[in-house]
Amino acid sequence: QQPVQSPQAVILREGEDAVINCSSSKALYSVHWYRQKHGEAPVFLMILLKGGEQKGHEKISASFNEKKQQSSLYLTASQLSYSGTYFCGTEQDDDMRFGAGTRLTVKP
Amino acid sequence: DAGITQSPRHKVTETGTPVTLRCHQTENHRYMYWYRQDPGHGLRLIHYSYGVKDTDKGEVSDGYSVSRSKTEDFLLTLESATSSQTSVYFCAISERQGNFEAFFGQGTRLTVV
Repeated sequence: QQPVQSPQAVILREGEDAVINCSSSKALYSVHWYRQKHGEAPVFLMILLKGGEQKGHEKISASFNEKKQQSSLYLTASQLSYSGTYFCGTEQDDDMRFGAGTRLTVKP
Repeated sequence: DAGITQSPRHKVTETGTPVTLRCHQTENHRYMYWYRQDPGHGLRLIHYSYGVKDTDKGEVSDGYSVSRSKTEDFLLTLESATSSQTSVYFCAISERQGNFEAFFGQGTRLTVV
């Protein structure tokens, strides 16, 4: 089953903060976050593992609540380059399922 | 950038015709996935592979089949294309499940008329 993301869309001004949530009805081994620019492929942002370990490549933070099977992505002091659609991906058995996405628009 | 290539990048085909999309990787990653992306649905898993000749169904597998005869190639076939299969198809690869990131191909835009 696909994880559920919220909100579906958010509009920000530069410098504002945003939180994107991801929840699953199944137990999670890890949560992945990806960002997709219009017309491009999704690009990896971060992995959160059971036990609290995080692996990321950008200055974006996230949390993973294993008991609640939820993850949140925190975008602080947003920049124009943060615009795009954010997807959470959850590992289930041998496959990976993604949420429907959250469209983030950052305006000057 | 990860070595993953999808072909073709764009295709228009007629209803009822067979179509094969190819995903080729040069990373020697074990896992390969096919997703379709439609507005409002995000990325939905069609099929995936966890090794040569080892494949399994995803959440939207009806009307699709896959094959993986070599580590580097993962083929997605629409046996008889329908208009509901008009979509953007993405292939992804991953070295292992869990704590390894997935890399995506550039996508194939398929239009069934």
